[in-house]
Amino acid sequence: GNSVTQMEGPVTLSEEAFLTINCTYTATGYPSLFWYVQYPGEGLQLLLKATKADDKGSNKGFEATYRKETTSFHLEKGSVQVSDSAVYFCALSVSDYKLSFGAGTTVTVRA
Amino acid sequence: KAGVTQTPRYLIKTRGQQVTLSCSPISGHRSVSWYQQTPGQGLQFLFEYFSETQRNKGNFPGRFSGRQFSNSRSEMNVSTLELGDSALYLCASSLGVDQPQHFGDGTRLSIL
Repeated sequence: GNSVTQMEGPVTLSEEAFLTINCTYTATGYPSLFWYVQYPGEGLQLLLKATKADDKGSNKGFEATYRKETTSFHLEKGSVQVSDSAVYFCALSVSDYKLSFGAGTTVTVRA
Repeated sequence: KAGVTQTPRYLIKTRGQQVTLSCSPISGHRSVSWYQQTPGQGLQFLFEYFSETQRNKGNFPGRFSGRQFSNSRSEMNVSTLELGDSALYLCASSLGVDQPQHFGDGTRLSIL
């Protein structure tokens, strides 16, 4: 089956620090990969996506590269802000509308 | 462009009751999916509808059901509520396969 494993949190950082959240996947077929972010009391917002190997998704300073050889899609940001505090979810879908999510990583950025 | 709208935002029910949640997708999106989010199980897929047909279903008991109307709006129903049904229920809509799903803010269901 399809599954996503992401690093466990919580992660606590200081402002302007470098953030990386590891994500690996198992999938039958060729998945599309996504990072979603959830702020308190809200639903999920799409942060970035990649649909094929070696694609790099980017948005709001966040980046992730689809690595087929290592089945990974790690999220990175070079300089985090307090406003980046949220829960981050890695997810995949394989030619259907079902998203399989990782457990989520809680990130707290301190001023 | 309006996002995905879910109503109500909060709901409190007691065991044994039934509940109906509503979701209005982004205009033009014909696929609507539902997810359950709990601290213990995380985000789990419930089902997906397209053009009033259920195309995909997750591993939930038959107490969980849904439907989609001709205007793409969707409802999900949970009958004979159990304490374990307490969760955030999220609806998402999408344009097509491999297109991102856009989520609403969810309905927080609490079972007493």
